[in-house]
Amino acid sequence: DIQMTQSPSSLSASVGDRVTISCRASQSTSIYLNWYQQKPGKAPKLLIYGASSLQSGVPSRFSGSGSGTDFTLTISSLQPEDFATYYCQQSYTTPRTFGQGTKVEIK
Amino acid sequence: EVQVVESGGGLVQPGGSLRLSCAASGFTFSNFGMTWVRQAPGKGLEWVSYISSSSRTIYYVDSVKGRFTISRDNAKNSLYLQMNSLRDEDTAVYYCARDEGYTYGLEYWGQGTLVTVSS
Repeated sequence: DIQMTQSPSSLSASVGDRVTISCRASQSTSIYLNWYQQKPGKAPKLLIYGASSLQSGVPSRFSGSGSGTDFTLTISSLQPEDFATYYCQQSYTTPRTFGQGTKVEIK
Repeated sequence: EVQVVESGGGLVQPGGSLRLSCAASGFTFSNFGMTWVRQAPGKGLEWVSYISSSSRTIYYVDSVKGRFTISRDNAKNSLYLQMNSLRDEDTAVYYCARDEGYTYGLEYWGQGTLVTVSS
């Protein structure tokens, strides 16, 4: 199975900050890497697919990059509604494993 | 509007069985693969199982192989997860999601249904 490791596990940031979250795969997933946002008590929401493609309706302050084993989710200017937990997921092969999550908290 | 709605969760004793359902609407169900994802209380997301649109292709995570069975009824626009020999560690919120294919991720999710395995 491909192991997905996110860093950091949590971070504190202020509104307006630039935030980057890393995701590393134990083997290449090509560009088949997705990012989700989850708020407490809610289902995850797809933000980025194919490593860098912005899902329809998602604000442009979210962006993704990377290929192979190293990927990054960037929020260019953190907004109050962005405080949540973020997960990466590889869809290159089954099981389509998720990272352990990164919790973004208010500083 | 695309909707998927899970049901069937509840409290079950270890070793027991439960069948989850996911009712789909707002799209042509028979054209899409479907996926189950679960989340233990306070923990991260875990991919559980996938079924293709025609049911020809099915995958499971190792921890549920031989105990869980995914199925679908395209005539009823419904997805199912039969869970047998349940263990404490199967306690989680179970989400169904429309699978857009390996290129596109999971766009549409239900609200989840809680399964609690406890004596």
